[in-house]
Amino acid sequence: DTAVSQTPKYLVTQMGNDKSIKCEQNLGHDTMYWYKQDSKKFLKIMFSYNNKELIINETVPNRFSPKSPDKAHLNLHINSLELGDSAVYFCASSQVAVTYNSPLHFGNGTRLTVT
Amino acid sequence: EDQVTQSPEALRLQEGESSSLNCSYTVSGLRGLFWYRQDPGKGPEFLFTLYSAGEEKEKERLKATLTKKESFLHITAPKPEDSATYLCAVQARQAGTALIFGKGTTLSVSS
Repeated sequence: DTAVSQTPKYLVTQMGNDKSIKCEQNLGHDTMYWYKQDSKKFLKIMFSYNNKELIINETVPNRFSPKSPDKAHLNLHINSLELGDSAVYFCASSQVAVTYNSPLHFGNGTRLTVT
Repeated sequence: EDQVTQSPEALRLQEGESSSLNCSYTVSGLRGLFWYRQDPGKGPEFLFTLYSAGEEKEKERLKATLTKKESFLHITAPKPEDSATYLCAVQARQAGTALIFGKGTTLSVSS
C-alpha cells in the first residue's frame, strides 16, 4: 500500500558508472519530483514533472536525466557518477504542482554511495 | 534569494518538557509555509501548511504558528515518539516554484 515507492533503497557504485533510480506513485497525483538530500541534510529540488511534462529543472549537471514514461512513474538516470553525487535521493508527488492544499508525499529515499 | 533558516539545529527534551522550534524565512512573496516530520531512514511526512500571518494549525501535541518573518512549531508535553527531524519549507508566490527547505531541527525526547 506504499504511496510513493523508490527502488533501490541503497545503491553503492564506483565512479564513472551509470545508474538508475525508479519511482512509482499510486496516489493518482499529476506531479512528481526528485529531491536531493546532501550530507548537510538540505533537501533541494532537482526536477519536477507535471503529467509527464518537465516543469522544474534546477541547476543540475546534465549527467542527471529524469524520465517519466507515464504520470505514475518518474525515473532518474545518472551518467558518469562522481563522488559528489553521493547523497539520499527522494522522489515525491503532489496532486497538482505544490499549492497550500496539495502537499508533497515523499518516498523513503535511495541512499547513493559513490566510491 | 529565498531561504529558510531553522533553529536550533538540535534540541533535547525530557518527556513532558514543552518547547518551540523556529523557522525564519525570506521569500519573495509567501505562497505557503510547510512543516514536515522526518524519521531516520524515511522520507519527510507532511504535518501542516500555513499561508497567512496569524494562522495557527494543531495536531495532537504540535501547534504551528506563522508571522510575516517566521513560523514556530510548538511541542506541548512531548513524548519519546515525537523524536524526529522537523523540516520547514516555503513556497514563493511565483508560479511553478518548488519548495525551499530548511536544514531541520532534530528533536530528541527522553523518558
